[in-house]
Amino acid sequence: DTAVSQTPKYLVTQMGNDKSIKCEQNLGHDTMYWYKQDSKKFLKIMFSYNNKELIINETVPNRFSPKSPDKAHLNLHINSLELGDSAVYFCASSAVTSGGAGEQFFGPGTRLTVL
Amino acid sequence: RKEVEQDPGPFNVPEGATVAFNCTYSNSASQSFFWYRQDCRKEPKLLMSVYSSGNEDGRFTAQLNRASQYISLLIRDSKLSDSATYLCVVNTPGGFKTIFGAGTRLFVKA
Repeated sequence: DTAVSQTPKYLVTQMGNDKSIKCEQNLGHDTMYWYKQDSKKFLKIMFSYNNKELIINETVPNRFSPKSPDKAHLNLHINSLELGDSAVYFCASSAVTSGGAGEQFFGPGTRLTVL
Repeated sequence: RKEVEQDPGPFNVPEGATVAFNCTYSNSASQSFFWYRQDCRKEPKLLMSVYSSGNEDGRFTAQLNRASQYISLLIRDSKLSDSATYLCVVNTPGGFKTIFGAGTRLFVKA
């Protein structure tokens, strides 16, 4: 039973196209995240959602629009794809207590290649 | 200064060696701290949480020094299977923003 799943696993597309990545978690967590890992392997947070509300938006271009239809899902839509968007995108979820976010569980990643 | 800085790698060690990774963070109000492990072309996975009192899990020991804003990870008796990238992770106040260090690559050789 996969805890955090993402689809698709691979995405190859042309510049200028619009694409979506879906994420689902079955852990009952209230908080979900999107991360981008670039070619230098640096993992950077993009968005953080808590109870379907956007909490963190780390100066991501507005071509990226996350959507959380319910607490178990956080999808990422990307408009007008650019070459620099090529990366691995990870979805994650965690529980958050008064002590902060606990362990984050990551999806397997979506490898996006923009040609 | 980067929010989370780790030792530059890679570390190349023989099996059985002890290796230590260091990490510093800039926000003194940071709340929680972790070490994650990431294998090549895989997602990061939690290795261990880090507490001020220090904690140990088998061959792995993590330490947190809040005064110095410093986190460490010690791996004893390295195994080939320990080869991976180790990521230092810090949660900012409020808990919703997670900062990953750039990672330190470890190669354990037979």
